[in-house]
Amino acid sequence: AQSVTQLGSHVSVSEGALVLLRCNYSSSVPPYLFWYVQYPNQGLQLLLKYTSAATLVKGINGFEAEFKKSETSFHLTKPSAHMSDAAEYFCATLNSNSGYALNFGKGTSLLVTP
Amino acid sequence: GAVVSQHPSRVICKSGTSVKIECRSLDFQATTMFWYRQFPKQSLMLMATSNEGSKATYEQGVEKDKFLINHASLTLSTLTVTSAHPEDSSFYICSASGLAGNTGELFFGEGSRLTVL
Repeated sequence: AQSVTQLGSHVSVSEGALVLLRCNYSSSVPPYLFWYVQYPNQGLQLLLKYTSAATLVKGINGFEAEFKKSETSFHLTKPSAHMSDAAEYFCATLNSNSGYALNFGKGTSLLVTP
Repeated sequence: GAVVSQHPSRVICKSGTSVKIECRSLDFQATTMFWYRQFPKQSLMLMATSNEGSKATYEQGVEKDKFLINHASLTLSTLTVTSAHPEDSSFYICSASGLAGNTGELFFGEGSRLTVL
């Protein structure tokens, strides 16, 4: 089954610094990949998704992710972190065995320091 | 984008009582809805998939008699936690899909935090 692994449960960056959140996927077929953000006690908001079109995907709030088949990766980046980016980030892939629900990674908590 | 609304956002109940959580798609018809459970500081775990007009499909390890899911219309799915116990305390999130197949267009509700005393 398709799955994703997020490396690093916590990432801390300074305001204005590059944000890099890592996600690797495991799939025998071309995957659909997603990044979601979750603020405390809230649902999930879609940042961006990869659906086998362009390998560089641009999302909301200045985030982007690059699909690299050779590395089975879909890392999320943002050139300059804002304080408001502090949240939990989840990488996910479609689970074709469960009616196309999402399989989520364990999440990465992003802390942005002044 | 499409809106999915959950109600209530927070609920506190006594052990042994039942709690119903509603998930509504406000501006589209949701052919499929998913229910997830999230423990503190952890990821979302899929509990069940429900399709309008049919029985829900539960993931392995999820008690279908405890977590009753009803998807009676294209805009409403409900999750009822029956005879709730403290270990059922969690954040429950629904998501809805209005598109067929694998386009991956899922919209999430705001979540419902259940606390069982």
